[in-house]
Amino acid sequence: GQQLNQSPQSMFIQEGEDVSMNCTSSSIFNTWLWYKQDPGEGPVLLIALYKAGELTSNGRLTAQFGITRKDSFLNISASIPSDVGIYFCAGQPNLNNAGNMLTFGGGTRLMVKP
Amino acid sequence: NAGVTQTPKFQVLKTGQSMTLQCAQDMNHNSMYWYRQDPGMGLRLIYYSASEGTTDKGEVPNGYNVSRLNKREFSLRLESAAPSQTSVYFCASSEVLGGGGYTFGSGTRLTVV
Repeated sequence: GQQLNQSPQSMFIQEGEDVSMNCTSSSIFNTWLWYKQDPGEGPVLLIALYKAGELTSNGRLTAQFGITRKDSFLNISASIPSDVGIYFCAGQPNLNNAGNMLTFGGGTRLMVKP
Repeated sequence: NAGVTQTPKFQVLKTGQSMTLQCAQDMNHNSMYWYRQDPGMGLRLIYYSASEGTTDKGEVPNGYNVSRLNKREFSLRLESAAPSQTSVYFCASSEVLGGGGYTFGSGTRLTVV
């Protein structure tokens, strides 16, 4: 089946630093999504991307849909303690085929030192 | 608040016991899913229901059964719990199968001893 490789697996950064993480696939996706999971909670959708090359922001978060359709990137600027959590990428192969479900990456665990 | 509600939040079972995890959504979504989350493994799909009256196996269905009771409710049953089923279980729903962003519940943390 399709695989999403997400990196890094974990990051321990200082408050105020910028963060970058990415997700790559061996096959093409037509939708990319980024989720955040707070400790003890379920994942919550942060950003959805629907077009190759698209760059979308949500506050301090910016995500990009790679031109090749095989990767996506998430950046967090000026990190704060509440950014702590696990970030998941997810891809959907074909927007028009309802039979193709989301594939999730393994997650990036972010820890922020005040 | 609208969303996906899971019960219970925590459960400890002895090996061989059975239990049902409950999930309900109030967003009129057609599709529902059960995932398990293990350290370093991300989210793995157990079963899903494209619409009321249908259910299908996901990536890791062995040891589980599901019931789509109605459009709102999708339950996950462990008939004979094993330690390998110790995990955090998440229910999710979406408007159509695979479509757009899923809405997740807050999870059930299950320990099998």
